[in-house]
Amino acid sequence: GDSVTQMEGPVTLSEEAFLTINCTYTATGYPSLFWYVQYPGEGLQLLLKATKADDKGSNKGFEATYRKETTSFHLEKGSVQVSDSAVYFCALNPTGGGNKLTFGTGTQLKVEL
Amino acid sequence: GAVVSQHPSWVICKSGTSVKIECRSLDFQATTMFWYRQFPKQSLMLMATSNEGSKATYEQGVEKDKFLINHASLTLSTLTVTSAHPEDSSFYICSARIPSGRTTGELFFGEGSRLTVL
Repeated sequence: GDSVTQMEGPVTLSEEAFLTINCTYTATGYPSLFWYVQYPGEGLQLLLKATKADDKGSNKGFEATYRKETTSFHLEKGSVQVSDSAVYFCALNPTGGGNKLTFGTGTQLKVEL
Repeated sequence: GAVVSQHPSWVICKSGTSVKIECRSLDFQATTMFWYRQFPKQSLMLMATSNEGSKATYEQGVEKDKFLINHASLTLSTLTVTSAHPEDSSFYICSARIPSGRTTGELFFGEGSRLTVL
C-alpha cells in the first residue's frame, strides 16, 4: 500500500538557519504530494503541494520539489524564523484522486533565537 | 482559501456522557468530509469518511456505534462520541475537500477539537 516516510524529529534550529525535512513516499503511478503544517493547538494547514513530477510547490519561503526518480518531496526553507516552529506533515493522495490522504508521522520543528 | 470550522475547540466531559463535535465548511459545499483522530506526538488517523445524505464509511477498527457521524447538509458534519471514556480523550480534526480538489485530493482542515474525558 501507499506510505509516506518522514525524518524523525524534533528538529531544532537557530533562527535564519537552513531547513530540510526529508520526505519519501511509496505509491504507484503519480500521486499528488502535500506538505501540511500544524501550529500548536491548531488543525492542519496546507503549506504547499505538487501534483506531477518535477513540479515545485512553494509558499511562505518554503519549497518542495516532486522527484519521481527518488520518490521524494523534501521540504526546504532558506532561513527559518521562530514563527515557523510547528509540526510538518508530508502527505500523498493516490493516482487518480480519491478520498484518503496518506500522512507521514510528522516532524516537529523548533526554531530558537 | 476554503475555510473549515470546528466547534467546540475544547471540551471536557464526565465519563459516560456523550459529546458532539461540529464541522462546518464556511464558504463552500462539501459533499464529503473526513474525521481524523490525533494522538499526542503522532500522525493523523483517519476514522471515517462522512458522506452527505448517506451513511459514513468507517475505517477498520473504528467503532461506528461509539463514534456516530452525521452529515445532514452540504456544510455540516457532526461527530458524536457516545458514552465517552478517558481513553477517548484525544484531538479530533475534521477536513473537507473543495470540489476542484477532487483530483488532487487537497484537503482543508478544521482547527481541531480537544476532548478530555474525566
